Amino acid sequence: DSGVTQTPKHLITATGQRVTLRCSPRSGDLSVYWYQQSLDQGLQFLIQYYNGEERAKGNILERFSAQQFPDLHSELNLSSLELGDSALYFCASSVDGSEGPARSSGNTIYFGEGSWLTVV
Amino acid sequence: GQNIDQPTEMTATEGAIVQINCTYQTSGFNGLFWYQQHAGEAPTFLSYNVLDGLEEKGRFSSFLSRSKGYSYLLLKELQMKDSASYLCAVRTYKAAGNKLTFGGGTRVLVKP
Repeated sequence: DSGVTQTPKHLITATGQRVTLRCSPRSGDLSVYWYQQSLDQGLQFLIQYYNGEERAKGNILERFSAQQFPDLHSELNLSSLELGDSALYFCASSVDGSEGPARSSGNTIYFGEGSWLTVV
Repeated sequence: GQNIDQPTEMTATEGAIVQINCTYQTSGFNGLFWYQQHAGEAPTFLSYNVLDGLEEKGRFSSFLSRSKGYSYLLLKELQMKDSASYLCAVRTYKAAGNKLTFGGGTRVLVKP
């Protein structure tokens, strides 16, 4: 158990709909990352938040948005869903002080179990 | 941008050794991670290198050469449960913080 909690674990929805995926980071971790993994594909970085602020953006579609709340949990909103959005969505967290280069694996990124999204 | 390359697939025999190579091109290098991922499951942390050299953790070792943009993960005494994908991930540092980018993963199949 990594300590990162994601809900829901599984979700089936229709095209055109909107869903929200939720993530609670490990206790003490300030950074939250979202990754998308389609079938037999690698992990694609979507977006990172640090202490409530967006820090880095990857290949995130305009139909997708995310936010990190004051209690550090994060939500990923996926709208106008298409069949191709079916994937495993991972949330990860790290201490990531963001003050400078990391000297140890103390900023290791730990992954949640993922949310399986199926768009039909 | 960043470029991270690793072989797509490798096959090895139970009890043997397998070496998975990873090459990368990036700016602001700030560490290299190896993760193991079984199909449909979360990636789990295996090892971390930020300085050149070898890090050993039980049956798994990881090596880094920053000047060559090269790392490898060595799996010894292979077990059937080691059949999984192994992900090389490079962390880069910019003023805004650290970002972790993954390679496509190497699927390792361990045969009896």
